[in-house]
Amino acid sequence: AQSVTQLDSHVSVSEGTPVLLRCNYSSSYSPSLFWYVQHPNKGLQLLLKYTSAATLVKGINGFEAEFKKSETSFHLTKPSAHMSDAAEYFCVVSQLNSGNTPLVFGKGTRLSVIA
Amino acid sequence: GAVVSQHPSWVICKSGTSVKIECRSLDFQATTMFWYRQFPKQSLMLMATSNEGSKATYEQGVEKDKFLINHASLTLSTLTVTSAHPEDSSFYICSARGTGTGGTEAFFGQGTRLTVV
Repeated sequence: AQSVTQLDSHVSVSEGTPVLLRCNYSSSYSPSLFWYVQHPNKGLQLLLKYTSAATLVKGINGFEAEFKKSETSFHLTKPSAHMSDAAEYFCVVSQLNSGNTPLVFGKGTRLSVIA
Repeated sequence: GAVVSQHPSWVICKSGTSVKIECRSLDFQATTMFWYRQFPKQSLMLMATSNEGSKATYEQGVEKDKFLINHASLTLSTLTVTSAHPEDSSFYICSARGTGTGGTEAFFGQGTRLTVV
């Protein structure tokens, strides 16, 4: 079984300050891990993914995440927040190298960026 | 990355009518497609998984006779909400995985906002 826990339902930061969105996972298998972003009434856009290669993963728009097996964590970070980063972020786990298993979503973290 | 096109992006229908939502993979073969439902300010809930040419596998609590899923080809899956009621109003999102996409990543459609009046 697989599950994801996003530790914060809402994070608020000032523009230009660092962003940290926390995610812990549980998986019976070697996991693939993803972060997706969703802007209001839009579909989901992939920010980055971990698939057993480098543990520090760099994504789009300056985001990155580090896979820490010992802590079962995959936290998302960005050095400097932009107003356009305000959105809903989902941490997602799936079974590595399995195309038939669905993605399991966390409950989401809403990021607000204050000018 | 690969592109998944979902249509329509929004639809309003009368209670009791049926609505069909299409999900197409534009540049890859989608061997597996997933349908999700999202309520306001909530996460995505998996409704069903469909493999091309097979019957869909529905999650517990999802009525298969109400949410008809067809995955007749490697590029098209459809979700039909039959005899829609106001409580079916929601945001529906499809995603697809398949050959030529690198395997583990799923690509998402833009979503369909269904409003039943």
